[in-house]
Amino acid sequence: SAVISQKPSRDICQRGTSLTIQCQVDSQVTMMFWYRQQPGQSLTLIATANQGSEATYESGFVIDKFPISRPNLTFSTLTVSNMSPEDSSIYLCSVDDNTEAFFGQGTRLTVV
Amino acid sequence: SQQGEEDPQALSIQEGENATMNCSYKTSINNLQWYRQNSGRGLVHLILIRSNEREKHSGRLRVTLDTSKKSSSLLITASRAADTASYFCATDPGDKIIFGKGTRLHILP
Repeated sequence: SAVISQKPSRDICQRGTSLTIQCQVDSQVTMMFWYRQQPGQSLTLIATANQGSEATYESGFVIDKFPISRPNLTFSTLTVSNMSPEDSSIYLCSVDDNTEAFFGQGTRLTVV
Repeated sequence: SQQGEEDPQALSIQEGENATMNCSYKTSINNLQWYRQNSGRGLVHLILIRSNEREKHSGRLRVTLDTSKKSSSLLITASRAADTASYFCATDPGDKIIFGKGTRLHILP
């Protein structure tokens, strides 16, 4: 199992600004995943973050909008850049052990 | 992009009845998992079924997997009010986990 600490838990941001979300895992993991969950929707994978290499982005997501850092095997950040109200969502980081995915508490972002 | 498609999108049943949710996916998988999410809360892992398994039970949960049809079903027997939640299937194409659109289950008293 894995315990993931994610912060901030929520934030209200002005459009045009950026927010960096941090994710700390209690064990070393090769890959960390970032998801977005829009209101009433399922989780959509944004990108996979590997330590020591650039993140791999899913279709519809780009590095300029969602830059990701992965400085070591227990930590990652996701930045939501130049925010607009459409970015209002819950953002979650995740790791998995090949049997189960574990999630942070999520960051509820509201852009005004 | 979404890998799994659940149906129905929403389901309301009387407490005590059985609830069945289905999931279809597109590519080959190693495992298929089901998760529950209560409103405004995190995801809870319910059960994993491997690609070489056809059926699995866990308490009131029964999961089936048909890899030839690329589909799975989740059956919750003797439903309770606490089962009201959204249910998602998740598959593992490659090294990532992709979630379906989910079924919103509402248990009526």
